[in-house]
This record gives sequence, structure tokens and C-alpha cells, in this order.
Amino acid sequence: AQKITQTQPGMFVQEKEAVTLDCTYDTSDPSYGLFWYKQPSSGEMIFLIYQGSYDQQNATEGRYSLNFQKARKSANLVISASQLGDSAMYFCAMREDNQGGKLIFGQGTELSVKP
Amino acid sequence: DAMVIQNPRYQVTQFGKPVTLSCSQTLNHNVMYWYQQKSSQAPKLLFHYYDKDFNNEADTPDNFQSRRPNTSFCFLDIRSPGLGDAAMYLCATSREGQGFRTDTQYFGPGTRLTVL
Repeated sequence: AQKITQTQPGMFVQEKEAVTLDCTYDTSDPSYGLFWYKQPSSGEMIFLIYQGSYDQQNATEGRYSLNFQKARKSANLVISASQLGDSAMYFCAMREDNQGGKLIFGQGTELSVKP
Repeated sequence: DAMVIQNPRYQVTQFGKPVTLSCSQTLNHNVMYWYQQKSSQAPKLLFHYYDKDFNNEADTPDNFQSRRPNTSFCFLDIRSPGLGDAAMYLCATSREGQGFRTDTQYFGPGTRLTVL
């Protein structure tokens, strides 16, 4: 079974609008972390935001926020006020603390921002 | 700025010719990871070093080896590259241990390997 599922292979958004990228996960470990990374065409994986399983509040980092719904096992990324430079591949990833530092990635969502 | 550096950014090798990719970091992180990312796929962990301890993933082919001579450097050796080894190779680091936020992995820019 997939541990991390990103159901949107591609998304389009108009510049300056908000967009939500979906991510659902599957784990039986009570202690885990969820991450979002951005990968532009250059290939570098850029860390965006982190949510711990015990965190009470949703994580926010500038224009990025993570909509964490633990009971539904979802960790959607919300990008507000999209910019052209946001066009990239976005990966959701999970770390299970009983598996050490290993990150398991979803298949990614390619976001295109239209002017 | 503290960072993760990978050299070279692009590497071309011939089928069966050994190749070494390098990663260095100025973050003073104690854990270093190597991921393989094939075209249009998610990154896949090959192995990692926790301090000096090497941890191999069960499905990593024997063709892939790694060395970590000191905290700052880590190398990926591909002994006999095949056409299927063409991929982006990503190095990442994190700080693990008591008292640290044992979470975020920071990635280098990657080395794109072509096998002819």
C-alpha cells in the first residue's frame, strides 16, 4: 500500500490566487513528521514546511501553510498568492520515527502558475 | 551560507565504467543520505550514514557503494553503471540526536548522471 499519496499529477493556478496540493498518508506509527518539498526544473529539493504528528497547530511558513487533518490522515499544502516562480514539482514526504530518518515521498504534483 | 554541495552537477559515464559522485556539507549535520531519483519519479533512498554507521536499504543494488571519510564529505560509488542507473542523485543531510529537531533533511542540488 502507498504510504504517501498525491492524487494530483498536475495542477494549474492563476497568478496571485491560492492553490491547495493534496497529500494523504498511511502509518501506524504514532510519532511521525510530514514535509513538503519543492523541486524546480533545476532538480534541487527545497524544503518548504514541516508538521509533526503531535503538533497542535497547523504549520505556516510565509505563503505556505499545511492543512493537517490527523484523523483523516491528510496534510495538504496551501500556497497563497501564487507567483510565477512557484511553478515546480511539489513532493509530500513522511518520516516515521520508528524507521529512523528515512523519508518516504509521494509521486509529486506538478504545479504550473499562469500569468 | 551553510549548505549542501554536490559535484559534479552533471556526470556522463560509459556503460560499466566506475563513477564517483561527491557531496559535502557545511551544516555540521551528523546524518547524510543518498537518494536516487529517476525521471518523473519520487526520490528513493539508497543508504545513509548516521555518524560513521552505514545503513543500507534492503533493495539497494550491490553496484552502489558509499564512503564517508569525515563529517563533511560523503561519496557515492557506482561500480559498474548500467543504463538503468541514469538518474538524478540527491544528497541530503539532517541533524539527529537528543536535543535536536530530528526532522528536516536539507538537500543538495543533485548530480544528473547519464550513462552512454
